[in-house]
Amino acid sequence: EDKVVQSPLSLVVHEGDTVTLNCSYEVTNFRSLLWYKQEKKAPTFLFMLTSSGIEKKSGRLSSILDKKELFSILNITATQTGDSAIYLCAVAGRAGNMLTFGGGTRLMVKP
Amino acid sequence: DAGVTQSPTHLIKTRGQQVTLRCSPKSGHDTVSWYQQALGQGPQFIFQYYEEEERQRGNFPDRFSGHQFPNYSSELNVNALLLGDSALYLCASSTGQGNSPLHFGNGTRLTVT
Repeated sequence: EDKVVQSPLSLVVHEGDTVTLNCSYEVTNFRSLLWYKQEKKAPTFLFMLTSSGIEKKSGRLSSILDKKELFSILNITATQTGDSAIYLCAVAGRAGNMLTFGGGTRLMVKP
Repeated sequence: DAGVTQSPTHLIKTRGQQVTLRCSPKSGHDTVSWYQQALGQGPQFIFQYYEEEERQRGNFPDRFSGHQFPNYSSELNVNALLLGDSALYLCASSTGQGNSPLHFGNGTRLTVT
């Protein structure tokens, strides 16, 4: 059975801090790893990673995948209050787009 | 460009009742997946529909069933509701090919009393 574990469960930081969120996984027939941000309801897509060692970057957010050690990290630099959300990590294994999600990391950024 | 839309936004039902949730995929998407997200947890895969057929199914009982229509919209039906079915039900759409990321709707918050 595919499994995704995220850490920490929750995190409180101040504006301007840098945070690193962790995601480890066990999956049969790995296809991709995805990061989503969930503020109130709909998770919104951040990154999809398929190759090891290649950093994906979007503004202050970046992510990298290590397929040998089976983990990924999501970095957020110069955090803002608008970054407060639950960050979800998911993996796609078997054929099709079925995702197995971790429990999420709840990030709170204080002014 | 309309994203994924779901209805209703909130629903309150009594144990033993039946419920139908609806989803319209993002324009250009032909695959619809349903996820259940209990409070404080990550979403759990229920099933996926493509070409009007159930293509994959997660570890959910037969009380959970679905349907996809020719216009790619989808319904999720849950029979004999239990208190434990209270959750946010998320619909996600994608294209049926390759490794395209899922796009989620805002979900339906179901409360079973």
